Amino acid sequence: KAGVTQTPRYLIKTRGQQVTLSCSPISGHRSVSWYQQTPGQGLQFLFEYFSETQRNKGNFPGRFSGRQFSNSRSEMNVSTLELGDSALYLCASSYSGAAGETQYFGPGTRLLVL
Amino acid sequence: QKEVEQDPGPLSVPEGAIVSLNCTYSNSAFQYFMWYRQYSRKGPELLMYTYSSGNKEDGRFTAQVDKSSKYISLFIRDSQPSDSATYLCAMSDAGGTSYGKLTFGQGTILTVHP
Repeated sequence: KAGVTQTPRYLIKTRGQQVTLSCSPISGHRSVSWYQQTPGQGLQFLFEYFSETQRNKGNFPGRFSGRQFSNSRSEMNVSTLELGDSALYLCASSYSGAAGETQYFGPGTRLLVL
Repeated sequence: QKEVEQDPGPLSVPEGAIVSLNCTYSNSAFQYFMWYRQYSRKGPELLMYTYSSGNKEDGRFTAQVDKSSKYISLFIRDSQPSDSATYLCAMSDAGGTSYGKLTFGQGTILTVHP
């Protein structure tokens, strides 16, 4: 089975711009979670989608949003980028997103905001 | 205070050493405990998974959970240079609001030198 894929792998943007990141889960997985990883804060949960619905959300401002399509692929959008948004953005997929279910991570998208 | 505390290290050991990695947590609702390994420029990969308290062994790796002390550990025996990576502890509770959400420690950077 192919793993979780994320595109693009690297991005450079400037402050004020917006960005869209994409995640394709493992075939058959319907839950997609997004995380932000920074040296200072570590891995932090952004949100989770299942069957095109956001079921869970972390403590991030409204500039961070996402969506999921009928084929379970997910996108994450960050508007009005700030320098502090520079991070590795990881998505993870699982079969149902149930508590304790194993999550499989993609390689991440590294975003640099100048 | 973070829900999950993990000493970021860095930790440097000689090949063949026994490595001990630890996390403490404050949320007594956590029921599922995981250890992920992350190589540079890669996404985290699951190493060990434990439900509730107890020990679990897999090859050179042993995971321990002590819920009474809110303390989890990962031991690596006969460490190899290929074990050099960042090790992340992760946890989730069993509640209905925990869909797709893992709470991570900061990660410990481990270097095993020949």
